[in-house]
Amino acid sequence: DGGITQSPKYLFRKEGQNVTLSCEQNLNHDAMYWYRQDPGQGLRLIYYSQIVNDFQKGDIAEGYSVSREKKESFPLTVTSAQKNPTAFYLCASSTTSGRLHEQFFGPGTRLTVL
Amino acid sequence: KQEVTQIPAALSVPEGENLVLNCSFTDSAIYNLQWFRQDPGKGLTSLLLIQSSQREQTSGRLNASLDKSSGRSTLYIAASQPGDSATYLCAVRRSQAGTALIFGKGTTLSVSS
Repeated sequence: DGGITQSPKYLFRKEGQNVTLSCEQNLNHDAMYWYRQDPGQGLRLIYYSQIVNDFQKGDIAEGYSVSREKKESFPLTVTSAQKNPTAFYLCASSTTSGRLHEQFFGPGTRLTVL
Repeated sequence: KQEVTQIPAALSVPEGENLVLNCSFTDSAIYNLQWFRQDPGKGLTSLLLIQSSQREQTSGRLNASLDKSSGRSTLYIAASQPGDSATYLCAVRRSQAGTALIFGKGTTLSVSS
């Protein structure tokens, strides 16, 4: 089955701790994205990558870091510098060729700060 | 700066009713518009994608329209069912090459049997 997987489903972080959220896709998509969703708010873009070894900051990149060493993988690290990390994190991917560029989403990771 | 608004924030209807969800955007220079469904605690499921050159797209009981000049899109759901209960999100893409989406806050739909 083609799709996007995210792990873990639930993650708990202590104050001052860095944590890494995993995102893997087997859709052969070039572009990958990380969004954050808070209650009552729309999704906000954290980082995106259009090609391996390259990525761009989104609207709320402060306190987060990413890497794109493989086409299939786009992990997100939530650092201790992120002051309010409790949220639902969604990873997505899309093609960059052709006309559609339809985005597909993973099941999400819910991060809670203890 | 592009902003996407969805009205109403919540909607309750009886089963079998036809309904329309609204989405508006402030900058008409979009590449495409995508409608998603989100169930509680889950990821997003893509429902329909409309290219900027298109006026509408249909999938089963769903029909999405796009009027770029007025900055509006609607999602029409025919013969609603309790299984349609979810949050529906509208998002626009600013340009072509792999750029991210800008989302509205969604409309939460409840269909009662």
